[in-house]
Amino acid sequence: GAVVSQHPSRVICKSGTSVKIECRSLDFQATTMFWYRQFPKQSLMLMATSNEGSKATYEQGVEKDKFLINHASLTLSTLTVTSAHPEDSSFYICSAGRGSYGYTFGSGTRLTVV
Amino acid sequence: EDQVTQSPEALRLQEGESSSLNCSYTVSGLRGLFWYRQDPGKGPEFLFTLYSAGEEKEKERLKATLTKKESFLHITAPKPEDSATYLCAVLLVGGANSKLTFGKGITLSVRP
Repeated sequence: GAVVSQHPSRVICKSGTSVKIECRSLDFQATTMFWYRQFPKQSLMLMATSNEGSKATYEQGVEKDKFLINHASLTLSTLTVTSAHPEDSSFYICSAGRGSYGYTFGSGTRLTVV
Repeated sequence: EDQVTQSPEALRLQEGESSSLNCSYTVSGLRGLFWYRQDPGKGPEFLFTLYSAGEEKEKERLKATLTKKESFLHITAPKPEDSATYLCAVLLVGGANSKLTFGKGITLSVRP
């Protein structure tokens, strides 16, 4: 079945530094990938949609300069949290879409900013 | 406004005690309804996709059903390993990107 690999699973960084999270589709090509953020005991909130070879589409209220998304190939999308602050600490999850049906999620990245 | 509501927020069952989780939706055009299971600290794991009212799908102790207003995830004789958060999400008609809108999830605890 479709597998999405997300890396790293956990990261701790100092306030003011940047962190990159990778999302790879291992056995299929993903023209569209989605990035979500999840707070404790809350549901997934869509942050942005990335399409291969074009700019990401950000949801309302998400700062595009803080959360940089790059989808340079059909198998890799990256999310970079720039100048991270403690309030950016959260669980980030990517998802790869296969056309209109079939959405496979990565295992998530727990980001802690200290 | 498109909305997805899941109830109850939390459910505690005794092992073997069957129950149902509800996902109600008010959307302008439904292309599909998805059920996922999420364990703590993990990404959602796909369970089912339902596309039209009247459709049913089964997998082991789980059965998902869909009407024009809601979906149910029936759990028959649950086991402690069924403890998890169950998320439903809808895929809507139209739009440049096909994106899922999630409910808040139902946290299920099954006691041995």
